Amino acid sequence: GAVVSQHPSWVICKSGTSVKIECRSLDFQATTMFWYRQFPKQSLMLMATSNEGSKATYEQGVEKDKFLINHASLTLSTLTVTSAHPEDSSFYICSARAGRGYNEQFFGPGTRLTVL
Amino acid sequence: GDSVTQMEGPVTLSEEAFLTINCTYTATGYPSLFWYVQYPGEGLQLLLKATKADDKGSNKGFEATYRKETTSFHLEKGSVQVSDSAVYFCALILQGGGADGLTFGKGTHLIIQP
Repeated sequence: GAVVSQHPSWVICKSGTSVKIECRSLDFQATTMFWYRQFPKQSLMLMATSNEGSKATYEQGVEKDKFLINHASLTLSTLTVTSAHPEDSSFYICSARAGRGYNEQFFGPGTRLTVL
Repeated sequence: GDSVTQMEGPVTLSEEAFLTINCTYTATGYPSLFWYVQYPGEGLQLLLKATKADDKGSNKGFEATYRKETTSFHLEKGSVQVSDSAVYFCALILQGGGADGLTFGKGTHLIIQP
């Protein structure tokens, strides 16, 4: 099946610094990538949708200036958490889809971010 | 808005027991329904799906039937194995355009004991 990787798998940073998380589709071209956030014992919450070569669409309540998303190629999307604070600590998961509509989304293993 | 409610875990069963994980949903349009599974240390994997009422999704011995009248998509398996231990997520996506992202339930942690 299709494989999606994320890097790093976990990161610890100091408050006020920025952190970049990469999401790669390894064996297919992803026209659309999604970023989700998961709090402990809670469901995955969609943060934003990005299409290659265009600006990301953010869900209501997600700060686009804090969570910068770039989808510069068909195999790579990045999420940058700018000026991170402890409340940004969470599990961030990306998924990638080859087509539109109901085509299957393939999920990465997630990145654990801890902000001290 | 759209939402998915699934039973809280953890659910602990003995090997070969019958499994049911309840899932109900509310949707502003006509949804496609999914079950995803997350094994320890791995990403979510699609387990099964159904796109219209009365459809039954099935895979690896798991089944779920799209019940529009009860807005439910309960996951069942007749005889679970230790290898089925994982977190299971029920999810939906609206058909016909609009939001492309999935709406997930909170997940149910399933533990199968030998």
